[in-house]
Amino acid sequence: EPEVTQTPSHQVTQMGQEVILRCVPISNHLYFYWYRQILGQKVEFLVSFYNNEISEKSEIFDDQFSVERPDGSNFTLKIRSTKLEDSAMYFCASSEELRGVPKNQETQYFGPGTRLLVL
Amino acid sequence: GQNIDQPTEMTATEGAIVQINCTYQTSGFNGLFWYQQHAGEAPTFLSYNVLDGLEEKGRFSSFLSRSKGYSYLLLKELQMKDSASYLCAVSRDDKIIFGKGTRLHILP
Repeated sequence: EPEVTQTPSHQVTQMGQEVILRCVPISNHLYFYWYRQILGQKVEFLVSFYNNEISEKSEIFDDQFSVERPDGSNFTLKIRSTKLEDSAMYFCASSEELRGVPKNQETQYFGPGTRLLVL
Repeated sequence: GQNIDQPTEMTATEGAIVQINCTYQTSGFNGLFWYQQHAGEAPTFLSYNVLDGLEEKGRFSSFLSRSKGYSYLLLKELQMKDSASYLCAVSRDDKIIFGKGTRLHILP
């Protein structure tokens, strides 16, 4: 079964450093997402991306964050200057846009996550 | 704004049935997801309801009432591997808002 992959699985960085988290969505999917989950807390939406542009973003997704689809397969999340509170698990997800199919067929697949620790 | 409520924890016995409720208030609503998340792992998709009613998928069923802002996940013939958090999430526009999750403990 196709799956979303993410690299690295773990990343440790110093406060103020830039990090890039990488994701390879499922190949025929057209919608891409980033979420984060601080330890012990709920999954929080960061951003959705479609047709090479951001379609929605949350209040968390401020100027320190950016997303990019640099080629046909990768989808990246960049944090420009990390803060201690950016320590979390970051999940990428993708879904297939199903034109003309009832929305109840829609599914969203999550990658295994990148655990980011900011020191 | 949006608000999603579900119980923090529940306990059930192996082989039994458990119902996890979720209520939501949100402006704009496309549908409602249920995900399962084992500790330290990514959420895995269980169901997505758009229309009112019950959808059954093997041991798991999900119900939605849009007018009441209410959903439940029903798990039958519980197995020890069902011990996990169950996340209710509302889809609106291109955003998915998660509840805090219900941690389900299964006793032998």
